[in-house]
Amino acid sequence: QVQLVQSGSELKKPGASVKISCKTSGYTFTSYAMSWVRQAPGQGLEWMGWINTDTGNPTYAQGFRGRLVFTLDASVNTAYLQISSLKADDSAVYYCASLLRSSNYYYFDYWGQGTLVTVSS
Amino acid sequence: DIVMTQSPDSLAVSLGERATINCKSSQSVFHSSNNKNYLAWYQQKPGQPPKLLISWASTRESGVPDRFSASGSGTDFTLTISSLQAEDVAVYYCQQYYTFPLFGGGTKVEIK
Repeated sequence: QVQLVQSGSELKKPGASVKISCKTSGYTFTSYAMSWVRQAPGQGLEWMGWINTDTGNPTYAQGFRGRLVFTLDASVNTAYLQISSLKADDSAVYYCASLLRSSNYYYFDYWGQGTLVTVSS
Repeated sequence: DIVMTQSPDSLAVSLGERATINCKSSQSVFHSSNNKNYLAWYQQKPGQPPKLLISWASTRESGVPDRFSASGSGTDFTLTISSLQAEDVAVYYCQQYYTFPLFGGGTKVEIK
């Protein structure tokens, strides 16, 4: 069955970087785009951008450009989110999410379980 | 930019009663090329990722109970839970995908 399994919680100091993984199985990884969604504590959902899993080309949402890097390792069916220069307000749960029926639309039928990133000195 | 506004922020409904959640987009999410509204609804329970309930404004996902229904077009949309069950306690989000994905602020549904 389809699974998106994310790496575990992270505790980082301000200014550090974090790299979150989203390991997929049960479908052809390179056939469907992968998005990343942020949810700050007690807050709503924010789409951060997506990566074309066939070409590796990323697209970053306007509010997230500059400190994010989306990457892939197609050999292990895994997508990565790296955030640099972490600040306290980067503390959030980060989700990978995909629509496994089309690469033309951006709603999401499969989600990872979420990775909690806490930024604190 | 499109703004998605959900109302109410929260509501408390008795078991077995109807819950209605509204979602308003600041511009139309109806695409005339395919006559579809680019609007989805999700349910999120504490500690879980969102679950897709509805796509294309009114198409229920497989396995979603038929007490969940959705309607609307253009800029105004509604999610209805016809007979609230205890397991429906959650936060519900609308999301437009006409442009880049954008979520509403969420509506928390509780038992009265």
